Amino acid sequence: SAVISQKPSRDICQRGTSLTIQCQVDSQVTMMFWYRQQPGQSLTLIATANQGSEATYESGFVIDKFPISRPNLTFSTLTVSNMSPEDSSIYLCSVTFPTAIYGYTFGSGTRLTVV
Amino acid sequence: AQKVTQAQTEISVVEKEDVTLDCVYETRDTTYYLFWYKQPPSGELVFLIRRNSFDEQNEISGRYSWNFQKSTSSFNFTITASQVVDSAVYFCALSAISGNTGKLIFGQGTTLQVKP
Repeated sequence: SAVISQKPSRDICQRGTSLTIQCQVDSQVTMMFWYRQQPGQSLTLIATANQGSEATYESGFVIDKFPISRPNLTFSTLTVSNMSPEDSSIYLCSVTFPTAIYGYTFGSGTRLTVV
Repeated sequence: AQKVTQAQTEISVVEKEDVTLDCVYETRDTTYYLFWYKQPPSGELVFLIRRNSFDEQNEISGRYSWNFQKSTSSFNFTITASQVVDSAVYFCALSAISGNTGKLIFGQGTTLQVKP
């Protein structure tokens, strides 16, 4: 199965600052997904990142707050901008392999705490 | 709209008990996938099963079994003879097969605590 390297694994940030999370996949994929998991909650899709086009954001998420880059078929970044304590969450990237039995692979997550 | 409901927020059992985690879904798609994931305290998502909407056969994998009933839009997960290591949050999820959205819709999760 594909392997995703997600960095950083955790960080503690000051409010008002920004953090960029990186995801590197060991094979080329068309779509990459970014999810947020707030404490004690489920996973919510932030956006879908396709190479060569702007990311598609879900309702409630905006590009100014969560800018995404997708420079090639194996890499993507998610930036959490102007952070507040409410942004404290686990952020996960994911890719899909429809023909594989597992369907999706997830990064190990970035545990973000904003103080 | 797609929706996944896991009505059980928390379940607590004693080791060796059987436990069933419920999952009910809504979708207008005729073809779709259903998933179960385990999330231990460390936070990573562990894939357990993927089932497509064409296949209503139940599946058993060791102590785990899944019951898919399209008529009731349910995809329940049973752990037989539970163990302490089964303690985790379990998520049911849904994705469309057709189209290019590819996104997963997750249920709220069920926290399972298995006590020794």
